[in-house]
Amino acid sequence: DAKTTQPPSMDCAEGRAANLPCNHSTISGNEYVYWYRQIHSQGPQYIIHGLKNNETNEMASLIITEDRKSSTLILPHATLRDTAVYYCIVRVPPLGDKIIFGKGTRLHILP
Amino acid sequence: GAVVSQHPSWVICKSGTSVKIECRSLDFQATTMFWYRQFPKQSLMLMATSNEGSKATYEQGVEKDKFLINHASLTLSTLTVTSAHPEDSSFYICSASTGSYGYTFGSGTRLTVV
Repeated sequence: DAKTTQPPSMDCAEGRAANLPCNHSTISGNEYVYWYRQIHSQGPQYIIHGLKNNETNEMASLIITEDRKSSTLILPHATLRDTAVYYCIVRVPPLGDKIIFGKGTRLHILP
Repeated sequence: GAVVSQHPSWVICKSGTSVKIECRSLDFQATTMFWYRQFPKQSLMLMATSNEGSKATYEQGVEKDKFLINHASLTLSTLTVTSAHPEDSSFYICSASTGSYGYTFGSGTRLTVV
């Protein structure tokens, strides 16, 4: 799997958009970008995934650069409940192989 | 959506005893499940891959005789921490592959060994 690089921590004001970057410069053509988050003392939660097109769901938007070497997860209107560690992972489906987690980004939503 | 149920959510045990953690896929069949351990302020560390009907595959440095994994059915995998010691106190999380969402994770088990 391609290696990812994320900032260790970020702050965002409540109500504002939180933009979490992820660098995956060694991503291969068939690898997808997945985002998960882990709220304190809970298991990780799936957020969104994409291959090359931008994706949006009820939780977030995923913007992938044209060269696919980086992506940004956008939480459009951050709330205090979005305080969590966010993990960016690149993988080749079909899934069934193990996930190795990096350190992720610890997002603090400030009231 | 696919749900993985993990029990217990927390457990306290005495040093030297064994503890079993269950991970169940509620609405799908999980051929493969994964077990992670997480220490405070750290990321998830993969311990082992559990395959239904066969022996688990352990990551380097994980003691297979201490962390017994059984995956006897397509909906249940168990992790038994044998002869637990205080250094085994941690947050244990299971997960299963579920198609397009990738992986679904259990809610985790907080183990405290006293």
